Amino acid sequence: NAGVTQTPKFQVLKTGQSMTLQCAQDMNHEYMSWYRQDPGMGLRLIHYSVGAGITDQGEVPNGYNVSRSTTEDFPLRLLSAAPSQTSVYFCASRLGLAGGRGTDTQYFGPGTRLTVL
Amino acid sequence: AQSVTQPDIHITVSEGASLELRCNYSYGATPYLFWYVQSPGQGLQLLLKYFSGDTLVQGIKGFEAEFKRSQSSFNLRKPSVHWSDAAEYFCAVGAIETGFQKLVFGTGTRLLVSP
Repeated sequence: NAGVTQTPKFQVLKTGQSMTLQCAQDMNHEYMSWYRQDPGMGLRLIHYSVGAGITDQGEVPNGYNVSRSTTEDFPLRLLSAAPSQTSVYFCASRLGLAGGRGTDTQYFGPGTRLTVL
Repeated sequence: AQSVTQPDIHITVSEGASLELRCNYSYGATPYLFWYVQSPGQGLQLLLKYFSGDTLVQGIKGFEAEFKRSQSSFNLRKPSVHWSDAAEYFCAVGAIETGFQKLVFGTGTRLLVSP
């Protein structure tokens, strides 16, 4: 298994540009999430999904859109990038509640470092 | 709402010395607690987790943590630190009502290991 993969690893955008951060997992996990990590702030939840076709907002959803058309993929879209969105973005997945406590481990991808000028 | 406080931004420990990283949480019900480690340029890796039962939890890489309800704490410990333990450590709390999806993370503690 490749685990959780994210592309690209690095990206530089100009203010107002749009882009999609890709996230995929090959573990048949039900739950997927997007976090952003900023210095001194820890990780903050942006959006999450509990299954294909189901998404919900996290702590800091403004400026980001998500969709979950398949179990494997959970892309994060920035419609109009702003300098405040400069951050490191992590995607994570876990099997889901149906799997029981032993499957509650979240697996994180390697991250995407985004700079908005 | 849940919250997590990691009061130490940086900690320096000599190689071979013991380590304790502090974590305090706020949550109205029984918390579900996690410790993650992040090496430079890497994603997060789960060290250990607590849901219920024995309040002393063993994790990977020789780490352990103790849940103390009376102190609202979940401190991470290791008896003898190795240079490879230098990394950033995050404590997190989750709620079963959200399937642990809404994990709330602390701001992290960066561990430096001196020779």
